Amino acid sequence: AQSVTQLGSHVSVSEGALVLLRCNYSSSVPPYLFWYVQYPNQGLQLLLKYTTGATLVKGINGFEAEFKKSETSFHLTKPSAHMSDAAEYFCAVSGNAGGTSYGKLTFGQGTILTVHP
Amino acid sequence: DGGITQSPKYLFRKEGQNVTLSCEQNLNHDAMYWYRQDPGQGLRLIYYSQIVNDFQKGDIAEGYSVSREKKESFPLTVTSAQKNPTAFYLCASRPDGYSNQPQHFGDGTRLSIL
Repeated sequence: AQSVTQLGSHVSVSEGALVLLRCNYSSSVPPYLFWYVQYPNQGLQLLLKYTTGATLVKGINGFEAEFKKSETSFHLTKPSAHMSDAAEYFCAVSGNAGGTSYGKLTFGQGTILTVHP
Repeated sequence: DGGITQSPKYLFRKEGQNVTLSCEQNLNHDAMYWYRQDPGQGLRLIYYSQIVNDFQKGDIAEGYSVSREKKESFPLTVTSAQKNPTAFYLCASRPDGYSNQPQHFGDGTRLSIL
């Protein structure tokens, strides 16, 4: 079984400040991890993914995330927030393919990011 | 441009009525998925299909049905048995079932009860 916990349903930052969105996962197999962003009334857009290799992953729009196996975490960061970053962010985990899982994605509950001028 | 098209964008259902949400993709992807999104609950998997003419129940399949007669199409029917259908429905696809392939999403259909 796998699960995802996003700490904080709402995060508020000032424009130019550091963005930190927290994600912890549980997985019985080495995980594949994803961050998606959702703007109002739209679908999800992939920000970045971790599969294997380098644990610091860079994504679009200046976001990055670090996979820490010992902490079972995959926190999302951006050094300087922009007004256009205001959206809802979802962390998701997928186990290795095999059996009947077929790469099923399990999502966290989401974190709404507000950026103040 | 390749992508996933969901229609309609907004849909209203009367009591006792079945409604069908459309999902079409031109990405030549084998695998397709339907999710339900409720505020504060993330996305929950309703049904998924790895290949044409095959599909599997997800975590919350009760009150829903699907078909996969063509590779590019994966319609979802919300039946009258689904007592709380008001939600945002998202369709997704990926090249195949391997876990390291990210899913691509459509822009969703918002379903409400009249």
